[in-house]
Amino acid sequence: DAGITQSPRHKVTETGTPVTLRCHQTENHRYMYWYRQDPGHGLRLIHYSYGVKDTDKGEVSDGYSVSRSKTEDFLLTLESATSSQTSVYFCAISEWTDLRGYTFGSGTRLTVV
Amino acid sequence: DAKTTQPNSMESNEEEPVHLPCNHSTISGTDYIHWYRQLPSQGPEYVIHGLTSNVNNRMASLAIAEDRKSSTLILHRATLRDAAVYYCILSRIQGAQKLVFGQGTRLTINP
Repeated sequence: DAGITQSPRHKVTETGTPVTLRCHQTENHRYMYWYRQDPGHGLRLIHYSYGVKDTDKGEVSDGYSVSRSKTEDFLLTLESATSSQTSVYFCAISEWTDLRGYTFGSGTRLTVV
Repeated sequence: DAKTTQPNSMESNEEEPVHLPCNHSTISGTDYIHWYRQLPSQGPEYVIHGLTSNVNNRMASLAIAEDRKSSTLILHRATLRDAAVYYCILSRIQGAQKLVFGQGTRLTINP
């Protein structure tokens, strides 16, 4: 089901460069989230959005910024990538009327060298 | 946020039932119990959720203790495709949910 797509799926970048990951949804859900997943840490919330131009920090937001200029797109930017940001990044969407909770994207595997 | 406790790993055989336990002793009255699973190299996917009563869907059943301090996800007839990490999460269905994922239970299915 293509209700939520992430791009790119894989990226290798150099330390110190900016990187932007994109999450696109076709479900018109209000809430969008960015998580990262690392071995030994599970999934951790980076930032989330509760509407266009409305965003807030999660538990591991340092070094990341987000933007949401349209309902369907939620961008995650690594301002100056570091090796500690090598991870798999997942986007998720939710809507209070959908009691199933989250729908996740397929993930972006980011390697910072 | 109320926390959940799950075994790190479990193992079962193909075509047998699997019971995955979850303890949530500090659950509040407005917390829903959600189960997600994550197949290898994929994002987590919704399995089932409930509030007080037992629930069934095409994927699984959810049995909730009367005091709601524990629950069990039941896979009635496990297949190799059910090998995954299963997460039990408490969620309040209002506003941004900000789900907190623990380590989950890694389920291995033997052929």
